Amino acid sequence: DAGVTQTPRHEVAEKGQTIILKCEPVSGHNDLFWYRQTKIQGLELLSYFRSKSLMEDGGAFKDRFKAEMLNSSFSTLKIQPTEPKDSAVYLCASSFGTGAEQFFGPGTRLTVL
Amino acid sequence: GDKVKQSPSALSLQEGTNSALRCNFSIAATTVQWFLQNPRGSLINLFYLVPGTKENGRLKSAFDSKESYSTLHIRDAQLEDSGTYFCAAGDSNYQLIWGSGTKLIIKP
Repeated sequence: DAGVTQTPRHEVAEKGQTIILKCEPVSGHNDLFWYRQTKIQGLELLSYFRSKSLMEDGGAFKDRFKAEMLNSSFSTLKIQPTEPKDSAVYLCASSFGTGAEQFFGPGTRLTVL
Repeated sequence: GDKVKQSPSALSLQEGTNSALRCNFSIAATTVQWFLQNPRGSLINLFYLVPGTKENGRLKSAFDSKESYSTLHIRDAQLEDSGTYFCAAGDSNYQLIWGSGTKLIIKP
């Protein structure tokens, strides 16, 4: 079985650009999570979908971050407009159900100049 | 303060020795996950625990929900065990609360 896939693996953007990160969860998993990882803040939850419904929209990240799940096998995270402080690794994870084990994709390393 | 406190923050071990990592929780954790983040950045699942213990090869983990802690024991450390170990506690909303990680270096 394929694990969680994420594209692109690396992204370089100019300040003010719009970028879209993509994630495909493990087939059959119902829950999908977007996280951001930085050295200073560690892992932070951005968004959480349960059966395609948005359960957590990231609080402080709502302003310029928007996650969508158009079908059960594909999710996007849009950052608009990007700022240099958005430079981080963005991780997508999925799980079979509420509270179940989460499995992570390889991440997208975003650099905003 | 930190809801999940991980210790130690860094550790250097000689190949072949044993070690124990620990997470203390100030939340009512229902589950615990342990991950290894390898030098390429991938998060590898090690254990998913409800209260109790699990063992997998040279790794053993325990989760005590009453005393609010979890441990990860590494036996006979190998070079490929190097990386950053994270614990994450499942809270009452079924979301993961992360520790800040233990950076482990195994020396030959």
